[in-house]
Amino acid sequence: DAGVIQSPRHEVTEMGQEVTLRCKPISGHNSLFWYRQTMMRGLELLIYFNNNVPIDDSGMPEDRFSAKMPNASFSTLKIQPSEPRDSAVYFCASSLGPEAFFGQGTRLTVV
Amino acid sequence: AQSVTQPDIHITVSEGASLELRCNYSYGATPYLFWYVQSPGQGLQLLLKYFSGDTLVQGIKGFEAEFKRSQSSFNLRKPSVHWSDAAEYFCAVVGYNFNKFYFGSGTKLNVKP
Repeated sequence: DAGVIQSPRHEVTEMGQEVTLRCKPISGHNSLFWYRQTMMRGLELLIYFNNNVPIDDSGMPEDRFSAKMPNASFSTLKIQPSEPRDSAVYFCASSLGPEAFFGQGTRLTVV
Repeated sequence: AQSVTQPDIHITVSEGASLELRCNYSYGATPYLFWYVQSPGQGLQLLLKYFSGDTLVQGIKGFEAEFKRSQSSFNLRKPSVHWSDAAEYFCAVVGYNFNKFYFGSGTKLNVKP
């Protein structure tokens, strides 16, 4: 298996623009997580899905953030409108059971 | 509430020296515990995990960790550090339903030549 695949690896966008981050989990995994990593706040869990259903989105910072998982092999994290403080590395992870596997991350820069 | 504490933000050791990174957790039941490593610009890679059984677990790259229930700790050790071990290390705990991973704030390891 190729592991968790995230795209794009890097994204630079202007403030106010919509940004969509994508994730393909490992085949057969039933849980998917979105994390945000910054120097100030470390790794923060934004949302996680189980069997494509959002279970806990309490970490989503505000309404500008939304996440979907239309099927078992694809998830998106959307920021609309984006702001400079959203600049961070966004990680997707998937799991089947107690071990999570992480993607390489998307480095988002909002200017 | 579940939480993970890594008290050391930065650690510097000389190449060849031994290493111990501290991790304390708070969890109401027997936890599943993990150590991940993150190299610059990379995602998190699993070093080792503890689910049950022997409290001393071996991982990749010569790392080991010991689960001590009485101290709520899961410290990571390596007898001889290599320059390539310079990275950030994260301790994590997951609950019984496997659905929420709690990460520590990370420890950045610097290795002196």
